[in-house]
Amino acid sequence: DAKTTQPNSMESNEEEPVHLPCNHSTISGTDYIHWYRQLPSQGPEYVIHGLTSNVNNRMASLAIAEDRKSSTLILHRATLRDAAVYYCILNTGNQFYFGTGTSLTVIP
Amino acid sequence: DAGITQSPRYKITETGRQVTLMCHQTWSHSYMFWYRQDLGHGLRLIYYSAAADITDKGEVPDGYVVSRSKTENFPLTLESATRSQTSVYFCASSESPAGGYGYTFGSGTRLTVV
Repeated sequence: DAKTTQPNSMESNEEEPVHLPCNHSTISGTDYIHWYRQLPSQGPEYVIHGLTSNVNNRMASLAIAEDRKSSTLILHRATLRDAAVYYCILNTGNQFYFGTGTSLTVIP
Repeated sequence: DAGITQSPRYKITETGRQVTLMCHQTWSHSYMFWYRQDLGHGLRLIYYSAAADITDKGEVPDGYVVSRSKTENFPLTLESATRSQTSVYFCASSESPAGGYGYTFGSGTRLTVV
């Protein structure tokens, strides 16, 4: 199963950018990289995904390394509402395998 | 309303009882999934289904049974509940994960087995 490695926790000051790293050295050529986040007492919600090129949407940006063995989720200006657990996931076939994610604390 | 709904939201049951958690989606997504979430383990895949009448095991299928007679429904049954099955259960659906389509998750069912 394709696995990802993320730091257990990170902190950021409010209104500063946050870079959440993820290593996925076993990624195969057709695996998409997905990011989800989970707010307290809620189900995970989609943030962004990509295959080879960097991606931007209204929530975040995804920077994918050239060899695709790592990626970084970028929140451009962290807000208190961004405090959550962030999961980096590779889709292996039609299944998503979640790790334990990175717990992001935003400091006012 | 369109979406994915889980019921009940909370459930307390006794050891040895059968309990069924319901999941319903309105998008006609082909794929549906059941995950459980426990402290320190993140989300772990229990079972998934690629289409009606097609189901397959995930990482932690023991003690669970699923069925998918209709595309929109994917119930999860604990045939004889145990305390170790106390957890938060999430259902999800997707059109085609391998094609880059993401998952949409329900709000979860918090199950306590006493």
